[in-house]
Amino acid sequence: TQLLEQSPQFLSIQEGENLTVYCNSSSVFSSLQWYRQEPGEGPVLLVTVVTGGEVKKLKRLTFQFGDARKDSSLHITAAQPGDTGLYLCAGGGFYGGSQGNLIFGKGTKLSVKP
Amino acid sequence: KAGVTQTPRYLIKTRGQQVTLSCSPISGHRSVSWYQQTPGQGLQFLFEYFSETQRNKGNFPGRFSGRQFSNSRSEMNVSTLELGDSALYLCASSSLASAGGNTQYFGPGTRLTVL
Repeated sequence: TQLLEQSPQFLSIQEGENLTVYCNSSSVFSSLQWYRQEPGEGPVLLVTVVTGGEVKKLKRLTFQFGDARKDSSLHITAAQPGDTGLYLCAGGGFYGGSQGNLIFGKGTKLSVKP
Repeated sequence: KAGVTQTPRYLIKTRGQQVTLSCSPISGHRSVSWYQQTPGQGLQFLFEYFSETQRNKGNFPGRFSGRQFSNSRSEMNVSTLELGDSALYLCASSSLASAGGNTQYFGPGTRLTVL
């Protein structure tokens, strides 16, 4: 059972466009993390959100944690080719399930063309 | 602070062999988790160690095992390799007691190819 659903799976856009990636679950998480991964490398942490309704900004990236802590979104403004990569969301502290490990979505593969 | 390091970065083995992968966490981090990443399944949790004890285990066969040493370094072992074990194996470390609820920092991974 995939507890975290990410959409879209693939996204190909032109430089300068805006985009939003979604991460949804029917389960409640105590925290949600977003990572970016490049081919052949490990995921690099972008942000951790822990409070329902929380919004965090990292330059052109805006992250939001849903009020019920079941979903999250990542919005990129004026995308650049350097934003290309695999974006992963991961839920931690899964209530009602096992603790101590992250549950990952399958990722959104973003390609930004110059 | 140095990040998570994993050795080796690349490994080629044949079916039936066994392999040992190594992970050194960020200094001061006591929790180490291992994940398997494949194109079809994405990142899947293998196990987590904290203070030399396995605290959590994912849904993988017994051929996958691990251990953690007193200096928090960790190793994972895969015995009787199968073609389907070809994957990127990622190690992540976390500073606090409850790894699932806290931020995990990943190493670059070990790319295992089974022929």
